[in-house]
Amino acid sequence: DQQVKQNSPSLSVQEGRISILNCDYTNSMFDYFLWYKKYPAEGPTFLISISSIKDKNEDGRFTVFLNKSAKHLSLHIVPSQPGDSAVYFCAAKENYGQNFVFGPGTRLSVLP
Amino acid sequence: DAGVIQSPRHEVTEMGQEVTLRCKPISGHNSLFWYRQTMMRGLELLIYFNNNVPIDDSGMPEDRFSAKMPNASFSTLKIQPSEPRDSAVYFCASSLGEGQPQHFGDGTRLSIL
Repeated sequence: DQQVKQNSPSLSVQEGRISILNCDYTNSMFDYFLWYKKYPAEGPTFLISISSIKDKNEDGRFTVFLNKSAKHLSLHIVPSQPGDSAVYFCAAKENYGQNFVFGPGTRLSVLP
Repeated sequence: DAGVIQSPRHEVTEMGQEVTLRCKPISGHNSLFWYRQTMMRGLELLIYFNNNVPIDDSGMPEDRFSAKMPNASFSTLKIQPSEPRDSAVYFCASSLGEGQPQHFGDGTRLSIL
């Protein structure tokens, strides 16, 4: 049973617009979340993280929002650029340990 | 600034053969992780080490899989004997420690015929 879900396998957005990638989790013990970006034939690259004591974290064009009651987080990319086209993974872990659980990924295509 | 280095990048071998995947973590990182990515199961954690000591190997699928970290700059993941269902991309990652983001290598694409 998937503990971290990304229900949209793919998303297409026009360049300059906002991209919103969603992630849901089932384990209420998760308290630290990350987003990774992955290009073909490369390993995932860390983008941004958020801990459960916050509901928002921002880094340049990337903002992650966390709604603990809904067990939902989202990644906003504004403005979207063609270079953002990649697969985005959401990952989560419990308070102790380093056992990150990854979602299946969402493929983002930013159209010029 | 060298990242996580994995070798080989691609490996094709026949079932029953021993396969050894290698990883050099980022210097100064205390934690090392081995992941497997497949279409069916996505990215799964197999095992991770802290300060060269295996901490959680609950993701290792069976006894055919083993991982070692003899020193802070080298780790291996071994499959013996290999089977076609082991075909996947295997990633190694390292981090500074608890709560820190992981830095991934570019993976080894393994095909078992």
